[in-house]
Amino acid sequence: DIVMTQSPLSLPVTPGEPASISCRSSQSLLHTNGYNYLDWYLQKPGQSPQLLIYLGSNRASGVPDRFSGSGSGTEFTLKISRVEAEDVGIYYCMHALQTRAFGQGTKVDIK
Amino acid sequence: EVQLVESGGGLVQPGGSLRLSCAASGFTGFSFSNYWMTWVRQAPGKGLEWVATMKQDGSEKYYMDSVKGRFTISRDNAKNSLYLQLYSLTAEDTAVYYCARDRLVESTTNAYYRGMDVWGQGTTVTVSS
Repeated sequence: DIVMTQSPLSLPVTPGEPASISCRSSQSLLHTNGYNYLDWYLQKPGQSPQLLIYLGSNRASGVPDRFSGSGSGTEFTLKISRVEAEDVGIYYCMHALQTRAFGQGTKVDIK
Repeated sequence: EVQLVESGGGLVQPGGSLRLSCAASGFTGFSFSNYWMTWVRQAPGKGLEWVATMKQDGSEKYYMDSVKGRFTISRDNAKNSLYLQLYSLTAEDTAVYYCARDRLVESTTNAYYRGMDVWGQGTTVTVSS
């Protein structure tokens, strides 16, 4: 089974400053079709998860362009160019190669 | 508006059973029967945990190891509904269970993964004596 590992697990941020979360998979998520089957989700307090990024670097509909995803194979990064107060919550990476599995989550809050 | 609504959660004793439902509505362009569907759970104060995924036509099902043989994912495309039958429940199964829309299958040759883009509000399962 593929294991997903995120870091850091806690990330205090300052509004207006950039932030970055890393995700590592125990096996390559690069499919033979050229796509990396890695998503990023955000769960805001008291809400259901919402999709931010799919296939490594594609922003979901309605997601602000301050969010970006990058990486390939086993190393991935989610970047927020300028954090806003509404970005607080827990961020999860997830692989989608046949089965699925989430990382432990990274809690982002305001300093 | 695309919507997923879970139901069927509740309090159940250890060893008991429960059937969760997920009703889909508002799908535009492609119908419920064109999508893989997934169940995800979240234990109190814990992270998200993938539980099971089912292809659009029911031909393949995937489960996390700890629920294999105890949980069964199924669907009724005519009713736009997804189900999760839970058996032999333990305290470790206590969680909020979410359903989510997964991979789109347009045809036998065209399928697209665009993330799990629609989630329900969740239904709570509590296993306790």
